Amino acid sequence: QQQVKQSPQSLIVQKGGISIINCAYENTAFDYFPWYQQFPGKGPALLIAIRPDVSEKKEGRFTISFNKSAKQFSLHIMDSQPGDSATYFCAARSAGGTALIFGKGTTLSVSS
Amino acid sequence: EPEVTQTPSHQVTQMGQEVILRCVPISNHLYFYWYRQILGQKVEFLVSFYNNEISEKSEIFDDQFSVERPDGSNFTLKIRSTKLEDSAMYFCASSVDRTSYEQYFGPGTRLTVT
Repeated sequence: QQQVKQSPQSLIVQKGGISIINCAYENTAFDYFPWYQQFPGKGPALLIAIRPDVSEKKEGRFTISFNKSAKQFSLHIMDSQPGDSATYFCAARSAGGTALIFGKGTTLSVSS
Repeated sequence: EPEVTQTPSHQVTQMGQEVILRCVPISNHLYFYWYRQILGQKVEFLVSFYNNEISEKSEIFDDQFSVERPDGSNFTLKIRSTKLEDSAMYFCASSVDRTSYEQYFGPGTRLTVT
């Protein structure tokens, strides 16, 4: 129940294309859903996050879509660029908890 | 822009030795965390710390692990007797407080146990 399932494991997208990464959860106590971007040898960097009271949040080329009834959320990267090539992790945190529960990550490669 | 810093960047130790990993959280943050990432795997929560007490810990954080805020700026993770399976990247993170969910991660310390 504490798991966050992330797919796909890897993704190759053409420059200018849309990258879509999906996550699903079971624990209905989760109330915060961030996405982190990680480059090799670096720590995870907070990219964008959403609370379950909204269905979508957009920041620049990055959009989170959230479906509370399906217990799914996804990251969309519009106009993907080679500089977006990284590993992306979704995560979730319970109301009242402090721990971020991470998905297994998606390695995105954007080809030029 | 303020950031979390960690030292050392890479630590090599022999099995059974004690190691201390150090972190300097962002200065106005009150909640501190340790996570680990075994090579190629997901990031796993170890412990959170607030007001000089452990707030939450995972099953991974057993008696071999301890955390401390020895002064006003540092936050440390001690592994008493390292095992081969402790080899991983260890990330420190901090957040403003409990109600601010945003956690900011440091660059990590790569721990290699031989």
